[in-house]
Amino acid sequence: QKEVEQDPGPLSVPEGAIVSLNCTYSNSAFQYFMWYRQYSRKGPELLMYTYSSGNKEDGRFTAQVDKSSKYISLFIRDSQPSDSATYLCAMGGSSGNQFYFGTGTSLTVIP
Amino acid sequence: EPEVTQTPSHQVTQMGQEVILRCVPISNHLYFYWYRQILGQKVEFLVSFYNNEISEKSEIFDDQFSVERPDGSNFTLKIRSTKLEDSAMYFCASTGTDQETQYFGPGTRLLVL
Repeated sequence: QKEVEQDPGPLSVPEGAIVSLNCTYSNSAFQYFMWYRQYSRKGPELLMYTYSSGNKEDGRFTAQVDKSSKYISLFIRDSQPSDSATYLCAMGGSSGNQFYFGTGTSLTVIP
Repeated sequence: EPEVTQTPSHQVTQMGQEVILRCVPISNHLYFYWYRQILGQKVEFLVSFYNNEISEKSEIFDDQFSVERPDGSNFTLKIRSTKLEDSAMYFCASTGTDQETQYFGPGTRLLVL
């Protein structure tokens, strides 16, 4: 069983739409949950991180963690063409060492 | 805003040659990492480094790989005898004492011919 599962998409939405990106995981020891944005041939850029369960909001972005379901989400409100990128979920255990990444979801926001 | 930097941005090498990839982590960070991403695949963990020693490594990180912090600012990944399948994007990352988030560099694209 893979540590982290993420639907690769591609996902295409019109500008202004609400985007929902999700990952599931199998390791109940994971405590740190991150969302990264990656543009083509660039390094992952940290968008948001959450410790344990709960919600976190930053501007148009909301991250949710449901540890009971082993499910995390990233919501993007009022999506913009500049949001077009690959979104990676990543997570790690209490040691804070190795992070496990999802395969990434490719998002295109159409003007 | 402080950031992780990596050099070179691109490297082309012949199979069997040694390569050294360089990273300058964020200055007050203490934990350092190398990941790789083969084209079209997920980001994979290679190794983590703290207090001048390896703290965790994956099965990918075999005897052909080594890491070093030769001075107070650089963090290097050496591949002793490159193979075709080592062709990938290599990312360095660092994190502070909270160990909560890892900040990634822009990557080095390695092509082994």
